[in-house]
Amino acid sequence: QVQLQESGPGLVKPSETLSLTCTVSGGSISSDYWSWIRQPPGKGLEWIGHIYHSGRTNYNPSLKSRVTISVDMSKKQFSLRLSSVTDADTAVYYCARRAQLRDGYNMDYYYYALDIWGQGTAVTVSS
Amino acid sequence: QSVLTQPPSVSGAPGQKVTISCTGNNSNIGAGYVVHWYQQLPGTAPKLLIFGNTNRPSGVPDRFSGSKSGTSASLAITGLQAEDEADYYCQSYGGSPLFGGGTKLTVL
Repeated sequence: QVQLQESGPGLVKPSETLSLTCTVSGGSISSDYWSWIRQPPGKGLEWIGHIYHSGRTNYNPSLKSRVTISVDMSKKQFSLRLSSVTDADTAVYYCARRAQLRDGYNMDYYYYALDIWGQGTAVTVSS
Repeated sequence: QSVLTQPPSVSGAPGQKVTISCTGNNSNIGAGYVVHWYQQLPGTAPKLLIFGNTNRPSGVPDRFSGSKSGTSASLAITGLQAEDEADYYCQSYGGSPLFGGGTKLTVL
């Protein structure tokens, strides 16, 4: 059973760079897309971006200029870097697997959904 | 403000049925993109509840069902139970993954 675990500093100063790592256990990182999602206190979910094991990435257009997601296959980890943070970046950050899931009615169809999530790590931006 | 609109809250008594809507437009749901639903119990990470509009992952009770029509999708929960009290989020696509603003379900 694949499990994900986020790690990184819980406090980041304004204008600095937020860095988090997600460790994959119980399965391979050599397939699927690996995602980052965040949730500000009391608010909804926001997709940040994802990475394929090949290194191919896609980012949320609203964050693209500040986000970098990378993967380390040997450590079975993928990472998030968010630069020039402000208090608006205070949130719980989740890593998740975007898996290919077969349609139960028509096996020729499949969908991509976030089927496994880490427990989340809270990051506060404050001086 | 989310591009996908959900009611902030819904409620129902145990045993009843509730429906949560997710309204998009012709750039996302109406463009043919599928809808997924996630359940977030208090203090926990989201959990995939419905994928591809209508499919339930293994282990999700058949009390939960999804549907999609035009620019909207819906999540229905029948036989409401106290343990269903949670936040529910729809997710679709429109250039990149989009989440709804979330709906808080209260079981009376």
